[in-house]
Amino acid sequence: QKEVEQNSGPLSVPEGAIASLNCTYSDRVSQSFFWYRQYSGKSPELIMSIYSNGDKEDGRFTAQLNKASQYVSLLIRDSQPSDSATYLCAVNIRGNTPLVFGKGTRLSVIA
Amino acid sequence: DAEITQSPRHKITETGRQVTLACHQTWNHNNMFWYRQDLGHGLRLIHYSYGVQDTNKGEVSDGYSVSRSNTEDLPLTLESAASSQTSVYFCASSEFSNQPQHFGDGTRLSIL
Repeated sequence: QKEVEQNSGPLSVPEGAIASLNCTYSDRVSQSFFWYRQYSGKSPELIMSIYSNGDKEDGRFTAQLNKASQYVSLLIRDSQPSDSATYLCAVNIRGNTPLVFGKGTRLSVIA
Repeated sequence: DAEITQSPRHKITETGRQVTLACHQTWNHNNMFWYRQDLGHGLRLIHYSYGVQDTNKGEVSDGYSVSRSNTEDLPLTLESAASSQTSVYFCASSEFSNQPQHFGDGTRLSIL
């Protein structure tokens, strides 16, 4: 089993809808979780960090963490065409080791 | 503002040549990382460093080397460039392992 898994997509949603992006991870002791957005030809940009179970909201973005089920989600409300990008999930799997990145989910918001 | 800069942004070279990609950060982070990104593979870790004089191999380290002589810089060297190393290379830094990484703008490297 890969350590961090994401559906590669593409995930297509209409403008104004909620986009739901999911990420599962393999190690129960993982403590830190991050969502990055990467536009085509650009570098990954941090959009959310979450460290404890539950929801964390920042503007139109909500990160949801469920450690018992080992998944972390990103919800994007009122999706805009400018949200079209690849979204990367990153997890600090254990201790003093580098983040492990999923391969990303490509999101397309259709106007 | 603190930043992380990579140079050059684009480079074309020939197989067999030695190539060095620069990465400089002003965050004063101890941790620095090098990734390559190719279609279908996502970000793959090449090498990383947790401080001066510390270097560690990532999952795709063959053919690459790094050295860390100060906090700010982690140059990546391709000892003898191969066409399979054509890729986009990203440098990143973080304060601690459980903290987010900040990425540079990337270097697009083509090896002919």
